[in-house]
Amino acid sequence: AQSVAQPEDQVNVAEGNPLTVKCTYSVSGNPYLFWYVQYPNRGLQFLLKYITGDNLVKGSYGFEAEFNKSQTSFHLKKPSALVSDSALYFCAVRAPPDRGSTLGRLYFGRGTQLTVWP
Amino acid sequence: EAQVTQNPRYLITVTGKKLTVTCSQNMNHEYMSWYRQDPGLGLRQIYYSMNVEVTDKGDVPEGYKVSRKEKRNFPLILESPSPNQTSLYFCASSFRTSGTVYNEQFFGPGTRLTVL
Repeated sequence: AQSVAQPEDQVNVAEGNPLTVKCTYSVSGNPYLFWYVQYPNRGLQFLLKYITGDNLVKGSYGFEAEFNKSQTSFHLKKPSALVSDSALYFCAVRAPPDRGSTLGRLYFGRGTQLTVWP
Repeated sequence: EAQVTQNPRYLITVTGKKLTVTCSQNMNHEYMSWYRQDPGLGLRQIYYSMNVEVTDKGDVPEGYKVSRKEKRNFPLILESPSPNQTSLYFCASSFRTSGTVYNEQFFGPGTRLTVL
């Protein structure tokens, strides 16, 4: 079964420090991976994605993520956190269009609340 | 402006009273989907549509119906709402590039539904 895990409900980091939000996945074949951010009382916004190619992908607002196939992980990172990065972050995975998977299904993690304090 | 719109944004209703939440996108996207967000559970997919007249179940389809008669619209119907359907609902759309690659989703602002 396809699934996504975000092992940390909360991540707290001081402004200016690097941040990491963890994501691991379980999917048959090569996955399509996404990170989204949700600010209070707002819908989700796309940050970055891995479809194929370089394992290190760069996205909006200085975020990046590394696809690690052997560890089935797709951790979100930023070298220097800002207070304005405080939000709820979701990792999502879509199964690839092979091995009988249903292409339309998208699986989200439970979310990680990131708090950056001044 | 490219966007996904949902209406209503807030709704309080009573058990058993049929309701429809509308969703519309102006980006000519083939793919549309509905999610519900509950604390501690993240987003769970209710239904999705790969194209007009093509819909399929997600993780939690029970108690919901959808239809896709036009490319831009994807309404969510609750025939007989119950309190356990109290939640925050999001509609999203996505586009396809080469072959079967579906890209990131564009989300609507959400509909907060309370069923008493």
